[in-house]
Amino acid sequence: AQTVTQSQPEMSVQEAETVTLSCTYDTSESDYYLFWYKQPPSRQMILVIRQEAYKQQNATENRFSVNFQKAAKSFSLKISDSQLGDAAMYFCAYRSAWLSRVYFGTGTSLTVIP
Amino acid sequence: NAGVTQTPKFRVLKTGQSMTLLCAQDMNHEYMYWYRQDPGMGLRLIHYSVGEGTTAKGEVPDGYNVSRLKKQNFLLGLESAAPSQTSVYFCASSYLGKQPQHFGDGTRLSIL
Repeated sequence: AQTVTQSQPEMSVQEAETVTLSCTYDTSESDYYLFWYKQPPSRQMILVIRQEAYKQQNATENRFSVNFQKAAKSFSLKISDSQLGDAAMYFCAYRSAWLSRVYFGTGTSLTVIP
Repeated sequence: NAGVTQTPKFRVLKTGQSMTLLCAQDMNHEYMYWYRQDPGMGLRLIHYSVGEGTTAKGEVPDGYNVSRLKKQNFLLGLESAAPSQTSVYFCASSYLGKQPQHFGDGTRLSIL
């Protein structure tokens, strides 16, 4: 079974600075999708960004970008110009291109310091 | 657009009681999922469904049952609630492939 590992249970960043959240995964598949979800205190699960494994170009959504290293099975999230509203739990997730299950990491709690 | 709707949002049960959580989606998604979220453990898959009339076990299925009689609804049942089932439960739905899962707002369930 696939596993997703987030090795940083907690991270903090100064407002306006940049922070990188780490995620690694284990798979034998070549075609899959990776996601980062944000869960603020409101408990909602919000999609931040996604990456298709067959695309070499790293995905970017405004202040959020990823560093996708397929050979290393690494999928880190970079948040630039951090804002107070970025404070949340962040989950990394893996999904096979052919199967319905999604595997989540244990999450990283991000604190933004004013 | 309602998206994914979970009812109820909060519930307190006594040990041994039974209840059903309802998940409804209006996006015509084939796949639906039930997760539980516990501190430090992320989201763990309880059961899932790949279509109307089908269900499958996830990582932590014991103590739960599910049904998908209609495409838009996915029910999670606790036959005899135990304190270990105290958790936040999330329902999600999706298409296959690169489309992300859409989540409900969660149900906080406490078993005393």
